Amino acid sequence: AQSVTQPDIHITVSEGASLELRCNYSYGATPYLFWYVQSPGQGLQLLLKYFSGDTLVQGIKGFEAEFKRSQSSFNLRKPSVHWSDAAEYFCAVGLITGGGNKLTFGTGTQLKVEL
Amino acid sequence: ETGVTQTPRHLVMGMTNKKSLKCEQHLGHNAMYWYKQSAKKPLELMFVYSLEERVENNSVPSRFSPECPNSSHLFLHLHTLQPEDSALYLCASSQEKGSYNSPLHFGNGTRLTVT
Repeated sequence: AQSVTQPDIHITVSEGASLELRCNYSYGATPYLFWYVQSPGQGLQLLLKYFSGDTLVQGIKGFEAEFKRSQSSFNLRKPSVHWSDAAEYFCAVGLITGGGNKLTFGTGTQLKVEL
Repeated sequence: ETGVTQTPRHLVMGMTNKKSLKCEQHLGHNAMYWYKQSAKKPLELMFVYSLEERVENNSVPSRFSPECPNSSHLFLHLHTLQPEDSALYLCASSQEKGSYNSPLHFGNGTRLTVT
């Protein structure tokens, strides 16, 4: 069965600093990988996804993530964080077939941005 | 912005009550999902409906009963719940077409408190 580990429960960065959120996965096949963001009182919004091809994927809000098969990682990065990026970030891995998405989510990383 | 609408946003119910959560998607998708989000735990997939048929039931107690009358609407009927069922219940949808399945689009959730 697939699993996702987000080793950092909380991260605090200063506005304008760079950000990297870690995600490691365990999956027996080529994974489909996602990053979602959740603001307080909101549902999850898709930031970016990796299905195949270029291992560096660009997402919304200036985020990017790099798939590294050798490290089983899919870390999320942003070169300069804005105060509005404060939220909870979830990495997910999944099997997508007919019959719906079977996504497994990590426990999330809470990002705090200091002004 | 969300094309998935959930009502109510908040619900407080006693253990002997019967209530229902409603989800409506305006994205033309044909698969819908219920997830449970509890504090300090990963999102738990509860049910998946694909083309209005239930294709996934992740060992959810029978006090939770889903209903999908059409591809745009999804309900979660609740009865005789326990305090540990208090959580944020998220609805999501995606588009299935052959072997392709779009990423999940989430609603803002219903915050359920069982007293």
